Amino acid sequence: ILNVEQSPQSLHVQEGDSTNFTCSFPSSNFYALHWYRWETAKSPEALFVMTLNGDEKKKGRISATLNTKEGYSYLYIKGSQPEDSATYLCALGADKLIFGTGTRLQVFP
Amino acid sequence: DTEVTQTPKHLVMGMTNKKSLKCEQHMGHRAMYWYKQKAKKPPELMFVYSYEKLSINESVPSRFSPECPNSSLLNLHLHALQPEDSALYLCASSQEGQLIFGSGTRLTVV
Repeated sequence: ILNVEQSPQSLHVQEGDSTNFTCSFPSSNFYALHWYRWETAKSPEALFVMTLNGDEKKKGRISATLNTKEGYSYLYIKGSQPEDSATYLCALGADKLIFGTGTRLQVFP
Repeated sequence: DTEVTQTPKHLVMGMTNKKSLKCEQHMGHRAMYWYKQKAKKPPELMFVYSYEKLSINESVPSRFSPECPNSSLLNLHLHALQPEDSALYLCASSQEGQLIFGSGTRLTVV
């Protein structure tokens, strides 16, 4: 069974702090790694799709890196804002996505 | 239109009821999905439709019956559900590997 793990489970930071969290996955049979941002009562929002070892992607204050050889991806948020509060999910695969359990981020003003 | 729309947003049904969840997208995506998410667990894939044909069924019980009437619509027909089927049901569509999700239907079976 493919296991995608995320850590930490939850994170509380002060506005302005930078933060990062991890997605770990088996390095064999890698196809693609997805990051989603999911606010309560809204749709999961696609942030990045990463396919190549060493990929780095950026969207505003959020960036992500990928290491397929060692089986991990980091998501970074620079200068966290209260509106960044959400659950951040990573998922492995293509048509059939296997999701991690998410990191719940709360940013306090 | 860059959204996936799901209706209803909330549904309460009895174990003897028949109901349907609906999903619609007008982005021309040819793959559509049903995921189920229970509290504090990751979303789990149920079904994948590709070009209006069922391509993946993750051993879902027959009390859940998907239907894809056309390339823009995906339904999930529900019959004789159990209380443990209560969950958030998410629809998604994709093109070139990136899934776009709807906001889900929160289903409660009583």
